[in-house]
Amino acid sequence: KQEVTQIPAALSVPEGENLVLNCSFTDSAIYNLQWFRQDPGKGLTSLLLIQSSQREQTSGRLNASLDKSSGRSTLYIAASQPGDSATYLCAAIIAGGTSYGKLTFGQGTILTVHP
Amino acid sequence: EAGVAQSPRYKIIEKRQSVAFWCNPISGHATLYWYQQILGQGPKLLIQFQNNGVVDDSQLPKDRFSAERLKGVDSTLKIQPAKLEDSAVYLCASRVGYTNTGELFFGEGSRLTVL
Repeated sequence: KQEVTQIPAALSVPEGENLVLNCSFTDSAIYNLQWFRQDPGKGLTSLLLIQSSQREQTSGRLNASLDKSSGRSTLYIAASQPGDSATYLCAAIIAGGTSYGKLTFGQGTILTVHP
Repeated sequence: EAGVAQSPRYKIIEKRQSVAFWCNPISGHATLYWYQQILGQGPKLLIQFQNNGVVDDSQLPKDRFSAERLKGVDSTLKIQPAKLEDSAVYLCASRVGYTNTGELFFGEGSRLTVL
């Protein structure tokens, strides 16, 4: 059974800091890994999708890396802004078996960027 | 392009009552998911449809939860009778195509409070 863990559970940083959010998964046979952002009372917004054949994806100030062998993904946020404050979730989609296409989510990291 | 539509956004009911949620995925998306997100936790998959067929409902409490996607487009999730522990946000998501490698798109969610 795939388990996804995110560390830290919460993070508070001053504006302008570069930061790293961590995601680990137990089953390395994944198709891809997706990072999401969730604002309070809202649904999930996709940030980055990394296919299993890729090692990283970049979008603006965001960079996500994937290391299947170690079961880890990191989300790097450069020059953080107060608008980045949200909950960040990672989700791994497992390969094969009867659960194809199923994403397993981590519990999320609550990020607060203060001015 | 319109996103994943869900309704109602909020619902308050008493325990033992019934409730239904509706989801209209992005046009052309063959795969549809229902997730349950309890406060402070990551989303948990309830059921996955491929067109109008169920692919995975292993975590759906079938004694009280049911879901259908009759014409392979929109879907309804029903809870009957509701329990206090069903208080959560119910998220609908969709993915284009039949592979596991595509990006997942979420709706805003339906927040259920059971009193």
